Amino acid sequence: AQSVTQPDIHITVSEGASLELRCNYSYGATPYLFWYVQSPGQGLQLLLKYFSGDTLVQGIKGFEAEFKRSQSSFNLRKPSVHWSDAAEYFCAVGTRVSWGKLQFGAGTQVVVTP
Amino acid sequence: ETGVTQSPTHLIKTRGQQVTLRCSSQSGHNTVSWYQQALGQGPQFIFQYYREEENGRGNFPPRFSGLQFPNYSSELNVNALELDDSALYLCASSFPPGQGRNTEAFFGQGTRLTVV
Repeated sequence: AQSVTQPDIHITVSEGASLELRCNYSYGATPYLFWYVQSPGQGLQLLLKYFSGDTLVQGIKGFEAEFKRSQSSFNLRKPSVHWSDAAEYFCAVGTRVSWGKLQFGAGTQVVVTP
Repeated sequence: ETGVTQSPTHLIKTRGQQVTLRCSSQSGHNTVSWYQQALGQGPQFIFQYYREEENGRGNFPPRFSGLQFPNYSSELNVNALELDDSALYLCASSFPPGQGRNTEAFFGQGTRLTVV
């Protein structure tokens, strides 16, 4: 069965510290992978995506993610978080055939402390 | 801010009623997908429309239906509302792959539906 797992429901990080959010997937086809961010009461904003090629992907707002096929993972990282990074983060998976029909993880809530 | 707009932003309905939510896609995007996001959960795919035809459906009952118009805008209709239908409904527009264009899905701000 296809699935997307974000093991961490909630993460608290100090401003200026590094952040890593985990995402594991189980998909039969070659996956298209995405990370989205959602601020309270807002829609989803795409941070970055991976379709093929270089497994280290750079996104907006200083985020990057690394695709590891052997581990079925696509973890999101940021070297130094800002207070404005406090939000909910969603990992999502699609495929070449079902590209617009994304399957989302349950999300990770990030809290940034001073 | 994306070019995807949804209306209304908030809506309160009574159980058993019907509701129509609207989505205007980003200029030129011919594909619209709808998602339901219950509180504290990730979005769940409802269905997708491409060139006015349904192009895939998630695990939602037939009382969830949709339309896409020639200008690519879209509607989501829900009949016989249930309390569990209370959620944020998100619309996303994009191009399909294979056309040499950016296939990123742009999401609207959503419609918050409350069923009482």
